[in-house]
Amino acid sequence: SAVISQKPSRDICQRGTSLTIQCQVDSQVTMMFWYRQQPGQSLTLIATANQGSEATYESGFVIDKFPISRPNLTFSTLTVSNMSPEDSSIYLCSVEYGARPYEQYFGPGTRLTVT
Amino acid sequence: KNEVEQSPQNLTAQEGEFITINCSYSVGISALHWLQQHPGGGIVSLFMLSSGKKKHGRLIATINIQEKHSSLHITASHPRDSAVYICAVRPTRVPRISGGSNYKLTFGKGTLLTVNP
Repeated sequence: SAVISQKPSRDICQRGTSLTIQCQVDSQVTMMFWYRQQPGQSLTLIATANQGSEATYESGFVIDKFPISRPNLTFSTLTVSNMSPEDSSIYLCSVEYGARPYEQYFGPGTRLTVT
Repeated sequence: KNEVEQSPQNLTAQEGEFITINCSYSVGISALHWLQQHPGGGIVSLFMLSSGKKKHGRLIATINIQEKHSSLHITASHPRDSAVYICAVRPTRVPRISGGSNYKLTFGKGTLLTVNP
């Protein structure tokens, strides 16, 4: 299995500021995913991060708002830029691991509140 | 219509009861995942299925590929089982829109389970 940690676990931020969320995996993985879960909603994929290439963003998400770094096979960051209250969500890092069809593992999440 | 439908949306049980949560999907899939989310927000992967049945402790997951249906069963339920249970599928064909990932899971809306002592 793959064990994922995220920092911070929660934060309260002011409108207009930015927050960077870190995701660390205890194993080398090719694909890392960033999800958002708005209050009362299911998970929505923000982007897929492959090491050594630009992240692939889903419809409705753009790099200027959610820049992602993937410097190596065990680490990624997601920045939520110029935050507004609508960005208040749980942000989850996830990885595929093992052989096809891949197991999916999730981090503990970062609970973000924007005031 | 959501590609993944779960039922029930909410479920309240007494400790010790046998619980079933259902998941139906409308697309061809390579795998189905059952996930558990506790109030803190973190998600635990319970099962990944591509056929048949899996058991882990008091949890059993089954899938019928022909009927596009999966069930999660909890035997001898306990208050610590209280959580949101989420079904997610990995479609075999994901339309490539400009940008976008071919790897995305499609999630159900979740079933909130409350087990009372």
